[in-house]
Amino acid sequence: QLQLQESGPGLVKPSETLSLVCSVSGGSITKRSYYWAWIRQPPGKGLEWIGSTIPEGRSTYYNSSLESRVTTSVDTSKNEFSLKLASVTAADTAVYFCAAQYNWNYFLYWGQGILVTVSS
Amino acid sequence: EIVMTQSPATLSVSPGESATLSCRASQSVSGNLAWYQQRPGQAPRLLIFRASTRATDIPARFSGSGSGTEFSLTISSLQSEDFAVYFCQEYNDWPRVTFGQGTRLEMK
Repeated sequence: QLQLQESGPGLVKPSETLSLVCSVSGGSITKRSYYWAWIRQPPGKGLEWIGSTIPEGRSTYYNSSLESRVTTSVDTSKNEFSLKLASVTAADTAVYFCAAQYNWNYFLYWGQGILVTVSS
Repeated sequence: EIVMTQSPATLSVSPGESATLSCRASQSVSGNLAWYQQRPGQAPRLLIFRASTRATDIPARFSGSGSGTEFSLTISSLQSEDFAVYFCQEYNDWPRVTFGQGTRLEMK
């Protein structure tokens, strides 16, 4: 059973870049059929898929509404993957979850989530 | 872009009774639909995938049905731990996925 854990700053200033890392344990990040995803949830609201990727840059897909500001990557040597979201505004304040997506389909394993607040 | 609409927004049900939650897609997603449960302060938990297949360790009182554009999640014999928010998610519009806005199941 995979365990995922998000880490990173809980407070980011407007116009700066939000950076988060998701550490994966209980299995290899190169495990076949798993894709590594970021999902966010503004306070009191629903879930928004940010993007998904697989190791070695073979495929990465982003939500078109965020694509111009998002970068994700996978570090197989550390068994972790990361999210960068540039030029943040208050609208980017949310709980950010990392997740293991099965075959580009549903999200089988989730991190506990990390609240990131955008404020000066 | 597929829009997923869940209804009702809030459902009030007494423990021991059954609850049926609905999820409608703006266009057919075939059977490519999942349901999640989210308790306060926790991450979502996968309940159902492929519209009707229970995930590992999910109790039999959770059942999913539907195909195309109309789906439902039924929870029978509601227990206290079942009162939570439920989300549906389509994964037919590869690689994009879309979630519904959620249904809050509250204790009556």
